[in-house]
Amino acid sequence: AQSVSQHNHHVILSEAASLELGCNYSYGGTVNLFWYVQYPGQHLQLLLKYFSGDPLVKGIKGFEAEFIKSKFSFNLRKPSVQWSDTAEYFCAVNGNNRLAFGKGNQVVVIP
Amino acid sequence: DAGVIQSPRHEVTEMGQEVTLRCKPISGHNSLFWYRQTMMRGLELLIYFNNNVPIDDSGMPEDRFSAKMPNASFSTLKIQPSEPRDSAVYFCASRGQGEGNQPQHFGDGTRLSIL
Repeated sequence: AQSVSQHNHHVILSEAASLELGCNYSYGGTVNLFWYVQYPGQHLQLLLKYFSGDPLVKGIKGFEAEFIKSKFSFNLRKPSVQWSDTAEYFCAVNGNNRLAFGKGNQVVVIP
Repeated sequence: DAGVIQSPRHEVTEMGQEVTLRCKPISGHNSLFWYRQTMMRGLELLIYFNNNVPIDDSGMPEDRFSAKMPNASFSTLKIQPSEPRDSAVYFCASRGQGEGNQPQHFGDGTRLSIL
């Protein structure tokens, strides 16, 4: 079964700072990769996804993620965060038709 | 465009009581998932259905938990008897045809508190 690791569970940064969240997975087969965001008190929403093709994926709200197969990584980035980006971010990996989530990164953006 | 609909949004009950959580997936979606979210363990998959049939229930914590999907538009997750350690947010998600390369769409969750 696949597993997903997200580091630096709590991230605090100021508006306009750049954000990068790491995601590493363990699974030897073909994977589909996702980043979800959960705003306070809300449900998970899809930020972006990677299935195949260009390993640099653009998502909503200025987020992007890069799939590096050799490193089993799918890191999320945003060049300049806003206060409204305060949320929890989950990396998820689908392998063998089973979706595994990381523990999440709690991101707080200070105005 | 209605998303995944869960009810109730909040449930507070005493330990030992039966709890039933409900989920209506997005119309046309053929896979349905139940998750539990806690601070300690994050997001855990409890069970998922494909075409109303339970495919993987290895995440169901114990026999007190049961899930059903009597038709394509409705599923329940039942806890009987409930215990304080069952307190969590329970999410339902559905997914369309295409299996792994389709994202899951989540409901707003049920915040369950067992006293």
